[in-house]
Order: sequence, then structure tokens, then C-alpha cells
Amino acid sequence: GAVVSQHPSRVICKSGTSVKIECRSLDFQATTMFWYRQFPKQSLMLMATSNEGSKATYEQGVEKDKFLINHASLTLSTLTVTSAHPEDSSFYICSASLAGAFGEQYFGPGTRLTVT
Amino acid sequence: SQQGEEDPQALSIQEGENATMNCSYKTSINNLQWYRQNSGRGLVHLILIRSNEREKHSGRLRVTLDTSKKSSSLLITASRAADTASYFCATLPQGGSEKLVFGKGTKLTVNP
Repeated sequence: GAVVSQHPSRVICKSGTSVKIECRSLDFQATTMFWYRQFPKQSLMLMATSNEGSKATYEQGVEKDKFLINHASLTLSTLTVTSAHPEDSSFYICSASLAGAFGEQYFGPGTRLTVT
Repeated sequence: SQQGEEDPQALSIQEGENATMNCSYKTSINNLQWYRQNSGRGLVHLILIRSNEREKHSGRLRVTLDTSKKSSSLLITASRAADTASYFCATLPQGGSEKLVFGKGTKLTVNP
């Protein structure tokens, strides 16, 4: 059960362009979705929490205008990296949780973003 | 925000040996979870232990929780090369937050 997909798995883009990453819960409705960023050999850093139909809550230090999050339905959240720069290159991972699931999160396979 | 600490940061063992990883945290928790991450992939949920539980088993995994010491351990018995991965603990703080606080992880290498 509880499968989360992410698309694309890898993307290379040029500086100044925008990239959209999709996160879908395939077999359940996710009340909450989370977006993380992970640098090589480091832990996950929470970027934002999104609930369907409401604005995302961003963690301190994360630019909301740069990392646009849309949670249009209970099965889809998108992260758009706007005007990407090389320092935005990273591994982006989404996760989804079920209400009443005691905080257990189901993770997508991640998206490797490289900005050239 | 606080972050859990795992130790060791890296662990290398032979197939068949047991692997023990420890996690410490700083605040009161609702539960503690262990996740596994293969290189370049997403995380896989392994086991969840609630704050009122002391030990939990799942297959070759054994997790303990000591809330008085704010620490947890993950034991993998009879390790296999396929267990090679990074292992993270994550705590769900008390107070209704849904946000997990992840530790820094332990990189486990199981040599065939």
C-alpha cells in the first residue's frame, strides 16, 4: 500500500529557467504533503508542508517565491523551482501522510535537479 | 529546530553480523520512526515505535526506545549485503505537529 510517485526522477535545466516537480499519492488520499531537500551525504531538510486547498507553510529560510508549492488535490502536490540557479541543484524528495497515521510518512523516490 | 543525532555516522560490517545504530533526540516525542534510504532514492519506512513502547520487532529489525534518555536503537540481525543503505531516525514531537525531525543518519555498509 501507500505508494508515492515523483516526476521527473532527474532533470537538468539551465540557469534562469523554472522546473516543476510533481508528487502524487497513487493509492491513497494524502491530507498533508511535505517537500524536503537533501544535499549529498546529508539528512533531509524540510522545506515546506502543504495541505490540500490551502497555502503551503514554509520553513524558516526557505524562499516561498522561489519554491512555489501547489497542492491542488488530495493526490497531487507540485514544487516549482523558479529562476533556478546552480546552487538550487539538489535532491528533492516529497512525502505524504495519512490522517491518523501517527506521523508515518510515505516518500517518493526523489528528483535529482541539476542546474547548469 | 532540533535534530536527532545518530551514531555511528558510518558502520561497516560483514554479512551475517548484527548492526546496531543509535539515535538521540532532544524534546518530548509522540513517536520515533526509522527509515532506510538506498543511495539516490527515496526513504522507506521501517518501523514506528510510540513513546509508551519500549521495544518493537519487525522481521530482522529490533527497535528500542528509552524516553528517559531520549534515545533509540535499531538492531539489524544477520545482516545481508542488501541491507547496505543509510538509516535515519525521525521523531514526531508531542503537540500535534505532523512534521518529522530527522537525524543525520548512519551509513551502513554490509560487505559480502
